[in-house]
Amino acid sequence: AQSVSQHNHHVILSEAASLELGCNYSYGGTVNLFWYVQYPGQHLQLLLKYFSGDPLVKGIKGFEAEFIKSKFSFNLRKPSVQWSDTAEYFCAGRHGSSNTGKLIFGQGTTLQVKP
Amino acid sequence: DAGVIQSPRHEVTEMGQEVTLRCKPISGHDYLFWYRQTMMRGLELLIYFNNNVPIDDSGMPEDRFSAKMPNASFSTLKIQPSEPRDSAVYFCASSFSGREQFFGPGTRLTVL
Repeated sequence: AQSVSQHNHHVILSEAASLELGCNYSYGGTVNLFWYVQYPGQHLQLLLKYFSGDPLVKGIKGFEAEFIKSKFSFNLRKPSVQWSDTAEYFCAGRHGSSNTGKLIFGQGTTLQVKP
Repeated sequence: DAGVIQSPRHEVTEMGQEVTLRCKPISGHDYLFWYRQTMMRGLELLIYFNNNVPIDDSGMPEDRFSAKMPNASFSTLKIQPSEPRDSAVYFCASSFSGREQFFGPGTRLTVL
């Protein structure tokens, strides 16, 4: 079955530390991958997406993610986190040739940034 | 663009009452999704529609839950009768041609 897994459930960092959140997907072939962020009390917002092309994807607010096909991974990175990055982060994916709109979401990673 | 619109934003009701949640997707989007989010179970997909037709309702917890999409600009999720374990945040999301999903602000439901 198709799945998306996030290794870290809860991450605590100090401001200015570098961030890397892991995401792995289980299906081969063409994939579409996404990272969403959910700030406390808010809805999910799209951070970045990968459909094809350059495997290094730049998103909003200084986030980036790298698609590594050989590792089935799409890790999220940010060189220097801020207190305002405290949020829950969701990785999601779908098979690129799928004719459904359904995304498979990971379990989410809660990031706490200490000022 | 107003984004995905959901109403009400907050709903408090008593056990046994009927609850109706509403969603207006982004204009031109052909997919609509209903999710439920709780601390215990995380984010769950309940049902989704394509061109107003329900495609997959396997996530609907039980017969007390029903969803409709009478036209491209409106969908409802109904719980009848409601129970305390239905308390959660319910999100609606829409997408165009199966690409990225855009989420609404959610409805926080509390069933007493």
